[in-house]
Amino acid sequence: GDSVTQMEGPVTLSEEAFLTINCTYTATGYPSLFWYVQYPGEGLQLLLKATKADDKGSNKGFEATYRKETTSFHLEKGSVQVSDSAVYFCALSDFSGGYNKLIFGAGTRLAVHP
Amino acid sequence: NAGVTQTPKFRVLKTGQSMTLLCAQDMNHEYMYWYRQDPGMGLRLIHYSVGEGTTAKGEVPDGYNVSRLKKQNFLLGLESAAPSQTSVYFCASKPKASVNEQFFGPGTRLTVL
Repeated sequence: GDSVTQMEGPVTLSEEAFLTINCTYTATGYPSLFWYVQYPGEGLQLLLKATKADDKGSNKGFEATYRKETTSFHLEKGSVQVSDSAVYFCALSDFSGGYNKLIFGAGTRLAVHP
Repeated sequence: NAGVTQTPKFRVLKTGQSMTLLCAQDMNHEYMYWYRQDPGMGLRLIHYSVGEGTTAKGEVPDGYNVSRLKKQNFLLGLESAAPSQTSVYFCASKPKASVNEQFFGPGTRLTVL
C-alpha cells in the first residue's frame, strides 16, 4: 500500500540555519502531497501542499517541490526561527480501500535554539 | 468560527471503563475523521464519516465505535478501555470538494491505567 517515509528526528538547529526535512513516498497513481505542522500542545495545521508533479508548495518561508522522478517532497526553509520549533508531518492523499484518506509519515521534531 | 473542537482535553481511565470523546465542527464540512497519534507512528485513522448518519472503519478500528447523528458532531466511543488505547486522539474535518486538506482539532490526551 501507499506509504510515507520521513527522516528521523529530532533535528536541532540554531536560529537562521537552513532546514531540510526529507520525505519520500510510495504510491500507486498520482497522490497529492502535504506538509502539516504540529506546534506544542496543538493539533495539526496544514503548512503547504502540492497536487501534481513539479508543483511547488510554499507558506511562511517553507517550500517543498513535488518530485515524481525521485518520489520525494522535501521540506526546506532558508532561515529558521525559534518559533518554527514543532513536529512536521509529511502526508499523501490515498484513495485505496474505497475512501479518501491521508497517510502520514511518523513526523520529524524540529528544535530551533537562539 | 471555532473550527474543530474536542472534548475533553485530558482524561484518565481505568481498564474496563468506558467513555465518549466529542468532536464538533462549525464549518459545515461533510467529512469527519478520528485519528490516534502514537510516538514514532504518525497519525493512524480509526474511523471516518462522509456524511450525517454514515460511518466507516479506518486503519485501526478495533475497540472503538463512532456515531454521526448530526453533521457537526462526530463521537468516538471506547466501550471497555485498555492500556493499549493510551494515546492522543485527534478529530479532523474537511469539505467534500477539498483535495484532502483536513482541519484538525487540538486533541484529547487519554491515559488508560
